[in-house]
Amino acid sequence: DVKVTQSSRYLVKRTGEKVFLECVQDMDHENMFWYRQDPGLGLRLIYFSYDVKMKEKGDIPEGYSVSREKKERFSLILESASTNQTSMYLCASSATPSDTEAFFGQGTRLTVV
Amino acid sequence: RKEVEQDPGPFNVPEGATVAFNCTYSNSASQSFFWYRQDCRKEPKLLMSVYSSGNEDGRFTAQLNRASQYISLLIRDSKLSDSATYLCAVGADGLTFGKGTHLIIQP
Repeated sequence: DVKVTQSSRYLVKRTGEKVFLECVQDMDHENMFWYRQDPGLGLRLIYFSYDVKMKEKGDIPEGYSVSREKKERFSLILESASTNQTSMYLCASSATPSDTEAFFGQGTRLTVV
Repeated sequence: RKEVEQDPGPFNVPEGATVAFNCTYSNSASQSFFWYRQDCRKEPKLLMSVYSSGNEDGRFTAQLNRASQYISLLIRDSKLSDSATYLCAVGADGLTFGKGTHLIIQP
């Protein structure tokens, strides 16, 4: 059974904290993605990566950075968490950038207080 | 800018009925099309891919209209378990998701 695993289901952080969201996939996929999902706004792409040590900005990269040191792991970093970053964060991976199924992790619900 | 639009609903449909919803996309260069299902507080999961010739999987039928730039999903003989949010996704240099259509099947 293929899996994308996110390190936490729920997180509560304080404003200004540096936050790390971890994602690991076991499918040997080259492509990995970070989305956030908010009511009424849908899934919005933050960053994606097509290969190890490679990263590309998505539609809403401001306030975020990413790290991909190993093929199976893609980390999302909130440099200085703010309340408007309270959201559901979803990691995904796929065999190709857009032609094949994207597999999602279970999501991390982050609350910044 | 890549745009993928869906009617957010909710669609309230009696059990056993047929329901259909569309998803329009703005990027004419789009090459791949998908429907995902997302249950409440869960991650999206692939329901079906949408091929140029259409695609049928049991009670679900997906179609692509390139000329008018939309894809559709038809659910026949709807079940209570079909209640979910249905997201369309369009691929062209990355996947862009619609905001989803919320479907409620009522007994």
